Amino acid sequence: SYKLTQPPSVSVSPGQTASLTCSGDNLGAKHACWYQLKPGQSPLLVIYQDHRRPSGIPERFSGSNSGNTATLTVSGTQPMDEADYYCQAWDIDTVVFGGGTKLTVL
Amino acid sequence: QVQLQESGPGLVKPSETLSLTCTVSGDSLSSYYWSWIRQPPGKGLEFIGYISYTESTHYNPSFKRRITLSLDRSENQVSLRLTFVTAADTAVYFCARTPPSVTTDWYFDLWGRGTLVTVSS
Repeated sequence: SYKLTQPPSVSVSPGQTASLTCSGDNLGAKHACWYQLKPGQSPLLVIYQDHRRPSGIPERFSGSNSGNTATLTVSGTQPMDEADYYCQAWDIDTVVFGGGTKLTVL
Repeated sequence: QVQLQESGPGLVKPSETLSLTCTVSGDSLSSYYWSWIRQPPGKGLEFIGYISYTESTHYNPSFKRRITLSLDRSENQVSLRLTFVTAADTAVYFCARTPPSVTTDWYFDLWGRGTLVTVSS
């Protein structure tokens, strides 16, 4: 079965740029999306179709997908961005999630 | 504002059936795909399955024949039934919506807050 791999954790200082990666075999040929999960809250779609931002998502969130890697970039990271982030793609006929990355804003 | 709210028993005994309901408020079930996703404690997200408004279903093969999804249009609800549960089914269960326009660019544009289900005797 298809697998998406994410680093368990990424740390960033406030105001800096965080790059979260998601790796999978020829992932660039698929569409990737990203979710933000905070305890006690509904998961939030932050990027879909590789790079599109849903309404209401700040411009500091951007996405790209090429080769074997999709990347979620958070520019000018704010303390409120501290959360778990999951990538997701569709493979053959099912949904696949990455293992998640905990973004810590120090 | 459209909202999804999961509900159901927080505790289920091993070998019994887990039944959860997702109530959709602020919109109808029309056209969308409705999914269930779970997150075991300390672990990542796992896709369970989806049901379309026309009631076609797709289930994660990992759940084999234990899972059933259904719709109740009159109540605007989506239901999950998981049989023969074990401790490994302990998780936060989320319902989520997918727009009708997607195909291989599948994504969930709206989620509920989730409900914790513990499997224990």
